[in-house]
Amino acid sequence: GDSVTQMEGPVTLSEEAFLTINCTYTATGYPSLFWYVQYPGEGLQLLLKATKADDKGSNKGFEATYRKETTSFHLEKGSVQVSDSAVYFCALSHSGYSTLTFGKGTMLLVSP
Amino acid sequence: EAGVTQSPTHLIKTRGQQATLRCSPISGHTSVYWYQQALGLGLQFLLWYDEGEERNRGNFPPRFSGRQFPNYSSELNVNALELEDSALYLCASSSRTGNAEAFFGQGTRLTVV
Repeated sequence: GDSVTQMEGPVTLSEEAFLTINCTYTATGYPSLFWYVQYPGEGLQLLLKATKADDKGSNKGFEATYRKETTSFHLEKGSVQVSDSAVYFCALSHSGYSTLTFGKGTMLLVSP
Repeated sequence: EAGVTQSPTHLIKTRGQQATLRCSPISGHTSVYWYQQALGLGLQFLLWYDEGEERNRGNFPPRFSGRQFPNYSSELNVNALELEDSALYLCASSSRTGNAEAFFGQGTRLTVV
């Protein structure tokens, strides 16, 4: 079955540092890939998505590129802020947004 | 516009009891999804309802069930509660089956003692 593996956290960074959160997946065919973010006390919000190989999703300074050859969708940001502190989830779906398969989440902590 | 709302926020039940969780989707959304976020297990897909019908089900026992009402709101029922059912249950809704962004609620924290 489908699975998503992401790096364990917490990831601790200073403000303005470069961020990478690794995500790899196992799935048949060509799934759509997503990054969701969960701020403390809130529900999940879609951060960005990519629906086919070599697509780059981007939002709020975050980027991720769909790499079919390495089955990866790593999340990057050039300069993190304290307000980026949250839990980040990588996910995939074979049919748009329904029945998402999530990774276990990576907590990001950014200090001033 | 109101987002996805879930009730109650917190629920404490005794092992063996039944729990009922409720979800109101965003106005105009016809699909509702339920996910379980258990400690150490990440988010796991439970159920998907669209237009009042169960469309897909995750790898959970039959004591996890639900329904969707004509107004598209949904209930998740968990019978014969077990300690390992303790988790955050998240509901999401979308406007078109499989083609639109799913918006999540803040969840119901179920604790089984």
